[in-house]
Amino acid sequence: QSVLTQPPSVSGAPGQTVTISCSGSRSNIGSDYDVHWYQHSPGKAPKLIIYNNINRPSGVPERFSASKSETSASLAITRLQAEDEADYYCQSYDASLSNAVFGGGTKLTVL
Amino acid sequence: EVQLLESGGGLVQPGGYLRVSCAASGFTFNDYAMTWVRQAPGKGLEWVSDIDNAGVDTNYADSVAGRFTISRDNSKNTLYLEMSSLRAEDTALYFCVKDGHCRGGGCYYDFWGQGTLVTVSS
Repeated sequence: QSVLTQPPSVSGAPGQTVTISCSGSRSNIGSDYDVHWYQHSPGKAPKLIIYNNINRPSGVPERFSASKSETSASLAITRLQAEDEADYYCQSYDASLSNAVFGGGTKLTVL
Repeated sequence: EVQLLESGGGLVQPGGYLRVSCAASGFTFNDYAMTWVRQAPGKGLEWVSDIDNAGVDTNYADSVAGRFTISRDNSKNTLYLEMSSLRAEDTALYFCVKDGHCRGGGCYYDFWGQGTLVTVSS
């Protein structure tokens, strides 16, 4: 059971928008620790796509955006493309565990 | 270009020992903390251990504390994870990860290797 809760799967057609939620608690996201997001395709290295809640690293398309509120966060992907099909993970820090924590991952299927 | 190349994975018996390594390049290795993250088959990502840039301060997940040891050789730009008393539940793909900038106790991970597979089985 992951400390951060994500839906197991989401799907959308090309061109559509999908949102992936990440629910935490008062010991992690609710304590104002930053949330980060990663994209992971099987056989590839995971890739940082959002850091410090809302920031995109250089090279990540503007179609990826994120937000954070109280004890949760969300990732939005607009204008879906086939290449977006991957697993997505949120990550934060948990004060009770004193270490980084990840969500269980969400598999995005582009229909 | 940042590159992180893990090696040393393989098949080991329960109770056994294995050391995995990560050769880093493309950045000033001794300026950054480093982390190991693992992914069990069909499961999500799990933080395992991290080490500060000097190799002095280390942290471990409860699931591996007392069995795993993280270390680094800054003269060789290499990160290590020594794993002993291995269990079936340690079977996973082990990723070497470079820490980005940290604030307030939390860090993001800006570059990842492709992982090395550790299988614990008799």
